[in-house]
Amino acid sequence: QSALTQPPSASGSPGQSVTISCTGTSSDIGGYKYVSWYQQHPGKAPKLMIYEVTKRPSGVPDRFSGSKSGNTASLTVSGLQAEDEADYYCSSYAGTDNYVFGTGTRVTVL
Amino acid sequence: EVQLVESGGGLIQPGGSLRLSCAASGFTVSSNYMSWVRQAPGKGLEWVSVIYSGGSTYYADSVKGRFTISRDSSENTLYLQLNGLRVEDTAVYYCAKGRPGYHFDYWGQGTLVTVSS
Repeated sequence: QSALTQPPSASGSPGQSVTISCTGTSSDIGGYKYVSWYQQHPGKAPKLMIYEVTKRPSGVPDRFSGSKSGNTASLTVSGLQAEDEADYYCSSYAGTDNYVFGTGTRVTVL
Repeated sequence: EVQLVESGGGLIQPGGSLRLSCAASGFTVSSNYMSWVRQAPGKGLEWVSVIYSGGSTYYADSVKGRFTISRDSSENTLYLQLNGLRVEDTAVYYCAKGRPGYHFDYWGQGTLVTVSS
């Protein structure tokens, strides 16, 4: 199972929006509604930000939103804040015996 | 409060073995599905293995036949037995609690495994 493809980096000024894409195949993203997104600050464990494509766990700001079209999922961070600077990983269920993560995107707040 | 605490990492020579532990509190390991996810230095996340509540286990192709995931209900602990270690297995290993909908809502702080001669 190959990793999902994400852009290596994305950036925006405070208050702006940034969108990160995550491209897979019909065997993962395109085949299931189980796309999730994780935020990881340096030296820290990943944190769940979005699950089942569009849902936000309790405590995650509504500035974070997710979507999917075909084999590509996206994470949008609106109203960028300094604390949003981190690495972001998408993930998809790929069948009973498989999960796959994205290559990761470093978000920089300018 | 849910907590996951990994231990057991360290420096090991190629071909060696290690057993990682993930002590859980605040929930029952055997009632949830649990995974191990690793991250090589400076690299992205890589799914390693999963154990479902019914006991079924699955592995990434890169570790199949060398790693074994298991759990101990009495200790409420998840394990990962690593055999035949290779230099490319060097990574921080995280345990993660699965949630219905195939995502992971809680993660441990990770334990570093370094495979080097």
